[in-house]
Amino acid sequence: QQQVKQSPQSLIVQKGGISIINCAYENTAFDYFPWYQQFPGKGPALLIAIRPDVSEKKEGRFTISFNKSAKQFSLHIMDSQPGDSATYFCAAGAGSYQLTFGKGTKLSVIP
Amino acid sequence: NAGVMQNPRHLVRRRGQEARLRCSPMKGHSHVYWYRQLPEEGLKFMVYLQKENIIDESGMPKERFSAEFPKEGPSILRIQQVVRGDSAAYFCASSLRQGSSGELFFGEGSRLTVL
Repeated sequence: QQQVKQSPQSLIVQKGGISIINCAYENTAFDYFPWYQQFPGKGPALLIAIRPDVSEKKEGRFTISFNKSAKQFSLHIMDSQPGDSATYFCAAGAGSYQLTFGKGTKLSVIP
Repeated sequence: NAGVMQNPRHLVRRRGQEARLRCSPMKGHSHVYWYRQLPEEGLKFMVYLQKENIIDESGMPKERFSAEFPKEGPSILRIQQVVRGDSAAYFCASSLRQGSSGELFFGEGSRLTVL
């Protein structure tokens, strides 16, 4: 019940395209859904986050879509750039400090 | 640099030795968390500490692992008698407020290799 399932495992997108990463959760107590970006050899950095009272949140080229009834949320990266190439982790938290992470999606944006 | 500072960045140990990983939280943060990342896996929660207190260690292996956050100095994650399965990246995070799952700031990690 604590799992967060993330797909795809890897993704190749052409420059300028849209990158879409999906996550699904089971625990209905989760009330916080952040996305982290991690470059090789670095720590995860908070990219964008959403709470279940809204269905969408946009920050620049990054958008989170949230479907509470389906227990799914996704990250969309518009106009993907080579600099976006990284591993992206979705996570979920239940009002505390314990984030449950997905296994990550390795994104490669090719010129 | 006001970020979360971890050291060493890389640590190599032989089986049976001890590993000590250190973490200094962001300035003003008094809540520290340790997460472990195995290859090709997401991060998994290990322990949550405040100054001089372990708040939640439900993610810590029962044996060989311990953590502290003394009144003065960095938080320490200690692994005794390391085994090959302990090879992983260990990330420390800090937050300003208690119970705020959204405000975790991670360090760059300590990568432990056990030979």
